[in-house]
Amino acid sequence: GENVEQHPSTLSVQEGDSAVIKCTYSDSASNYFPWYKQELGKRPQLIIDIRSNVGEKKDQRIAVTLNKTAKHFSLHITETQPEDSAVYFCAYRGSNYKLTFGKGTLLTVNP
Amino acid sequence: DVKVTQSSRYLVKRTGEKVFLECVQDMDHENMFWYRQDPGLGLRLIYFSYDVKMKEKGDIPEGYSVSREKKERFSLILESASTNQTSMYLCASREGSYGYTFGSGTRLTVV
Repeated sequence: GENVEQHPSTLSVQEGDSAVIKCTYSDSASNYFPWYKQELGKRPQLIIDIRSNVGEKKDQRIAVTLNKTAKHFSLHITETQPEDSAVYFCAYRGSNYKLTFGKGTLLTVNP
Repeated sequence: DVKVTQSSRYLVKRTGEKVFLECVQDMDHENMFWYRQDPGLGLRLIYFSYDVKMKEKGDIPEGYSVSREKKERFSLILESASTNQTSMYLCASREGSYGYTFGSGTRLTVV
C-alpha cells in the first residue's frame, strides 16, 4: 500500500546549525510533496511544497529537494532558530489524489 | 486566507455515546478530509469527501462514519465511542491540486 517513511523521528540541533529531514515514498505516480510544520498545540501548517517537475525549491532558510528516481525527498533548514522547534511532517499525493503523511519529526533547536 | 473551523477544541465523552465532530470551511472547497493524530503514528486518514454527498474511506475508517450534506460542512461521526478513539482529530480542506488547510483540531477523550 501507500506509505512514506520519515527519518529521523527526533532531531536536536544547536541554534545556527542545519537540520535535514528525509522521507521515502512508495507510489511512483506521486507528483506533489508538501511539508508541514506543527508547533505545540497548533494546527499543521504548510511551509513549503515541491512538484515532481523540479528537483529543488528554496524559500529563505528552508529548501526541499526531490529525487524521483530514488523516491525520496528532503527538507533542509539552515541557520536554525529556536522558533523552528516543532514537529515536521512530510507528505505526498499519490495516484488517488489524497495526501499520505509521514509519522513526523520532532525538531528541537537548542539556544 | 482559507478558514477551516472545528466546532469544539476539547470534548469528553463516555464510552458508547454517539459523537459528532463538526468542520466548516469558508472557501467553497470541494475536497474535505478527516484525520486523527496520535503520538508516534502521525496523521492517519479516516474519511474524505470530494463533493457534497460523496464520501470515501481512508486508511482507518472502522468505527467512524461521515456526512457531507452541504459543501462547506463535513461531519465525523463516532457511532459508539470507545476508549481507543481518544485522539486529536484534524479536519482539512483543499482547493484543486494544492496543499491542505487544517482546522485547529478537536481533542477527544473517551472515558
